[in-house]
Amino acid sequence: GQNIDQPTEMTATEGAIVQINCTYQTSGFNGLFWYQQHAGEAPTFLSYNVLDGLEEKGRFSSFLSRSKGYSYLLLKELQMKDSASYLCAVQDSNYQLIWGAGTKLIIKP
Amino acid sequence: GAVVSQHPSRVICKSGTSVKIECRSLDFQATTMFWYRQFPKKSLMLMATSNEGSKATYEQGVEKDKFLINHASLTLSTLTVTSAHPEDSSFYICSALAGGLDYNEQFFGPGTRLTVL
Repeated sequence: GQNIDQPTEMTATEGAIVQINCTYQTSGFNGLFWYQQHAGEAPTFLSYNVLDGLEEKGRFSSFLSRSKGYSYLLLKELQMKDSASYLCAVQDSNYQLIWGAGTKLIIKP
Repeated sequence: GAVVSQHPSRVICKSGTSVKIECRSLDFQATTMFWYRQFPKKSLMLMATSNEGSKATYEQGVEKDKFLINHASLTLSTLTVTSAHPEDSSFYICSALAGGLDYNEQFFGPGTRLTVL
């Protein structure tokens, strides 16, 4: 079957760094996405990885290892507004997204 | 980036009525749109894949006669919840697939909060 695993909840301090891990087992792979979702809102796109390695975009970076079925999202210089759920999703060969359950990130002052 | 709109953003209705939700891609054509529902503190659940000019493909467990999907044009897909009941109360989100980029990305609408009394 297809499975996306990520931690349910994480807590971090304002100004610090946090890494959210995602492991996946899917029948097809056409890229991995990270989305941010605030309560009551639709997800917003953060990053896309299809090749192994690190993609950096401002305070956010995303890493992919296809051989290990593993990705992480790294958030630096955390701000209170980064408190949200972070969703890992793998795009299959039909361009459908297979979603993880999301990681709720709590930022404390 | 590409913009997807949804209408209405919030709807409250009585049990037994039907509710139509529109999803529009505003600045690009989308041959494929997806409909999701999301319960509180849960991840998105794909309900169906909507392809322009053809019948929607429903995920297992989703009643196609209850959740009617019409994708009549390259910029509009509609989801009609027929004879809604309280258990249909949820957050419904559509996304549109944009091709022609380095990758095929789904752009999400803002979502529709449905409350059935």
